[in-house]
Formats: sequence, C-alpha cells, structure tokens
Amino acid sequence: KQEVTQIPAALSVPEGENLVLNCSFTDSAIYNLQWFRQDPGKGLTSLLLIQSSQREQTSGRLNASLDKSSGRSTLYIAASQPGDSATYLCAGGKSGYALNFGKGTSLLVTP
Amino acid sequence: GAGVSQTPSNKVTEKGKYVELRCDPISGHTALYWYRQSLGQGPEFLIYFQGTGAADDSGLPNDRFFAVRPEGSVSTLKIQRTERGDSAVYLCASSLNGAEDYEQYFGPGTRLTVT
Repeated sequence: KQEVTQIPAALSVPEGENLVLNCSFTDSAIYNLQWFRQDPGKGLTSLLLIQSSQREQTSGRLNASLDKSSGRSTLYIAASQPGDSATYLCAGGKSGYALNFGKGTSLLVTP
Repeated sequence: GAGVSQTPSNKVTEKGKYVELRCDPISGHTALYWYRQSLGQGPEFLIYFQGTGAADDSGLPNDRFFAVRPEGSVSTLKIQRTERGDSAVYLCASSLNGAEDYEQYFGPGTRLTVT
C-alpha cells in the first residue's frame, strides 16, 4: 500500500513568511497529486491538482510541484497570512481515483 | 453552484445498531467516493462508484460496511452492527469522471460516534 509522509507535522510562522510543505510517497508510481486544506471540524477544500502529465500547478500565492522520479511533492505558500492557518494534506495514488493521504501538516500563521 | 452535501452532520448511535450515511454529490459528477478519517489521521479510501456501480470497494474494512448508489447520484453508506472502532468522520467526494485527471471535491463529512 502507498504510504504518504508529510513533513513537518506542524509549523508556526509569522505573517508574511514564505514557506514550503513537503510530501513523499513510498511508491513513486504516482498517477496524479492533489493538495487540500482542512479547517478544524470541516471537510477538505481542494487547493491544487497536479494532473498526470504535469509537473507543477499554481493558484494565487500557492505553487505545488511533483517529482515522480523521487516520489516527492512540495507546496509553496508565498507571503503567508493568518487566514492560511489550517491543516494541509497531500494525496495521490496509482490509479488516480483512490487517493492515499498523508497525516497532514498543521500550519499556524501568527499576526 | 452547490457542493457535495452529507447528512446527517453528526450521528451518535449505540454499539450494535445499524446506521445509514447519505451523500449528495455535485450535479453532473459521475464519480463518487467514500473515505473515513480517524482523529489525527488523513482520510482512508473506502469505495469508489462510477455511475451506479462500485468500481472499487477494496477499502471497505469488512462485510459490515456496504454502499449503494442506485440511480447514479445520491449514495448511501450503510454500516451494520456498529462497533466503537467505527467512530470516525465519514467523508464523501465526487469528481466529474473517475477515470481521468479530475479534482475530487469533498463534502463536510458525517461525524459518527458509536457509544
């Protein structure tokens, strides 16, 4: 079974900092990869999808990249804001439908 | 437009009882997924529907769990003889098509507590 590791498990930064969240897979045969945020007690909000033929995707202050050869993905958040505080989850899978999730990185951005 | 909706938002039941959890996907989405999220963990895949049929149910933990999607839209996850270990948040997601590169959109989840 695909194991997904997210580093760090928790992160606290002051507002305005740029930051990088990491995600790695035990099996590099990843079809596509999706990044989500989850607010406490809520469902998941999709942030970015890196499709099978892509290497990166950008949306506003967010940029995600995927290196299939090494089985690693990074999520870059520019100019962090307190509203970015949430848990960030990466998910991917061989099939493209049954997503395997990491445990997430809990981010706190302080004013 | 309307997102994925799930009902109820919270369900408390006694050990041994039967429960049904409902998912209403985004209109026009043919693929529907169920996941289960335990405290402090990422969601775990349970089952995937393409249309009315279960294309992959390999994540269902045992035969107490069953899911249906009779008309290719709303889905119901059914759990028989509930156990305390079934307590978790059950998440439903949908996508335009399960076979291709489409984003999965998640509902708010149903928090199931088995006492």
